[in-house]
Amino acid sequence: DAGVIQSPRHEVTEMGQEVTLRCKPISGHDYLFWYRQTMMRGLELLIYFNNNVPIDDSGMPEDRFSAKMPNASFSTLKIQPSEPRDSAVYFCASSASYGNSPLHFGNGTRLTVT
Amino acid sequence: GDSVTQMEGPVTLSEEACLTINCTYTATGYPSLFWYVQYPGEGLQLLLKATKADDKGSNKGFEATYRKETTSFHLEKGSVQVSDSAVYFCALSEANTGTASKLTFGTGTRLQVTL
Repeated sequence: DAGVIQSPRHEVTEMGQEVTLRCKPISGHDYLFWYRQTMMRGLELLIYFNNNVPIDDSGMPEDRFSAKMPNASFSTLKIQPSEPRDSAVYFCASSASYGNSPLHFGNGTRLTVT
Repeated sequence: GDSVTQMEGPVTLSEEACLTINCTYTATGYPSLFWYVQYPGEGLQLLLKATKADDKGSNKGFEATYRKETTSFHLEKGSVQVSDSAVYFCALSEANTGTASKLTFGTGTRLQVTL
């Protein structure tokens, strides 16, 4: 089992550019979560999917952020346009649907917007 | 809504010292409780969990007991090692949401163990 795979590991971009973060969940997991981690705000849930359908996007900061899950093995988080305050580590996590199945996290994408 | 409160860090200990990281929670219903650990440059990993009152979760020498009367889930280890240096997150799963895996995390406590 390869675990949750995120790419890229590091992204440096200029303000105003579009950024796309990618995630491949563990095969067979039907929940997928996007989190953002910063020193100031800790770990924040942005959005989560169940069976590829977005269930709760109330944590998405604003319209500049969007997430998709076109199939069970792939999800993207897009920021357009990016701003310096978006700099953070973005984590993808997946889990199975049985009761209290633990989250499995990827190693994250460190985004720096200059 | 549900929330988790952890003690502020960093916690600095000498190797073989005893560790306690406090965690208290506020929740409706009967959540499950978790401790996750994050090593530098990595994502969070599940360390242990407890799903009902008085349950004790344990793993790698770490323990935590689900105390409903004090709404607490303190993490303990009798003798820490340098390799335990990491950030530790307490978390709960929201009850009655139909989503077993949606977690609310505490802010994390950084542990540094020195020789």
